[in-house]
Amino acid sequence: GEDVEQSLFLSVREGDSSVINCTYTDSSSTYLYWYKQEPGAGLQLLTYIFSNMDMKQDQRLTVLLNKKDKHLSLRIADTQTGDSAIYFCAAYGGSQGNLIFGKGTKLSVKP
Amino acid sequence: ETGVTQTPRHLVMGMTNKKSLKCEQHLGHNAMYWYKQSAKKPLELMFVYSLEERVENNSVPSRFSPECPNSSHLFLHLHTLQPEDSALYLCASSQDHGLAWGNEQFFGPGTRLTVL
Repeated sequence: GEDVEQSLFLSVREGDSSVINCTYTDSSSTYLYWYKQEPGAGLQLLTYIFSNMDMKQDQRLTVLLNKKDKHLSLRIADTQTGDSAIYFCAAYGGSQGNLIFGKGTKLSVKP
Repeated sequence: ETGVTQTPRHLVMGMTNKKSLKCEQHLGHNAMYWYKQSAKKPLELMFVYSLEERVENNSVPSRFSPECPNSSHLFLHLHTLQPEDSALYLCASSQDHGLAWGNEQFFGPGTRLTVL
């Protein structure tokens, strides 16, 4: 079945760019999502990419997809303290038909 | 109320207690989900309901019992839980279940459960 891997921690300075990486195993995954979870809250859908796309930009967020390597990244430009949260990569597709989540990357933004 | 709401937000219970978690979605969606979020583990999908019928049960112990009386409400009944069941329980909904574009899942804020 699908397996989604992420590094657990990332620390950046305010104003820098953050890049959160994710790898998945099921090459037939067709939809890939990034969710954000702030402390004490549920998951909020940030952005998504379809597998026939290489890149998607949405304001400060850029998603890059390397389908050959099954690698997904989320770049946050001009990172702010309010971006501190846990970011989850999720792959939706393959044989299971359910969203499979990574463990989440905790982003800490230092002033 | 908008989106997905969950009550209670926090729950402390003993191992012999019986309690229920409630989820309500105001989005007109047809599919609802229960997830368990434990520290340092990926989100675990527990149950999936589509049009009020259970479509998936991922080997969840019988001490967790879901109920979906209509497409807007989802319950998780808890009885004789173990301390390792302490976690954040998240409810989500989507327009439909399955591989369809626009089928993003919308999450509630979760219920933080502590089992003593």
